Amino acid sequence: AQSVTQLGSHVSVSEGALVLLRCNYSSSVPPYLFWYVQYPNQGLQLLLKYTSAATLVKGINGFEAEFKKSETSFHLTKPSAHMSDAAEYFCAVKGQAGTALIFGKGTTLSVSS
Amino acid sequence: DTAVSQTPKYLVTQMGNDKSIKCEQNLGHDTMYWYKQDSKKFLKIMFSYNNKELIINETVPNRFSPKSPDKAHLNLHINSLELGDSAVYFCASSQQRGVQETQYFGPGTRLLVL
Repeated sequence: AQSVTQLGSHVSVSEGALVLLRCNYSSSVPPYLFWYVQYPNQGLQLLLKYTSAATLVKGINGFEAEFKKSETSFHLTKPSAHMSDAAEYFCAVKGQAGTALIFGKGTTLSVSS
Repeated sequence: DTAVSQTPKYLVTQMGNDKSIKCEQNLGHDTMYWYKQDSKKFLKIMFSYNNKELIINETVPNRFSPKSPDKAHLNLHINSLELGDSAVYFCASSQQRGVQETQYFGPGTRLLVL
């Protein structure tokens, strides 16, 4: 069975500061991990995904995430936050073909000027 | 050129009514999904169809019935609506090439049951 845990339901940063959103996973098979972003009243947009090709994954809008098997983590980072990054961020895991994404509970990112 | 579209975007209705939500994707994908996002923003899979065949059917009340007339469409019909059905319902699609295939989400349908 697969699951993800997002530590911190709400993260607040200042514009220009480092963004770090935490995600830990549990999986009985090699996991495939995803980060999605949801802007207010919109659908989910893929930021990046880990597919075992490389442990450091670069995504859109300057975000990246590093897969660490020893720590069962897939934390999302961005060096410098923009006001436009304020949104809900979801980590998700998928273990097998034909199964659905299993989502974490989400982290709300607030960015202040 | 919307990839995954849903109608309606907002739906306000009374308890006990029957309603449908429609989803269409123009990406040529063979797999479609319905997810429910509750008031705490938690997302959970409800159903999935692959080439019009039901492949995932989570523990969902049988008042919810999905229907896929073709692989580009997946509709959700809800009978006897209850207050607890109020949520945002997202449709998604993917190409079943492998476990790492990306799911593309629609804009959501915000259902409010009064």
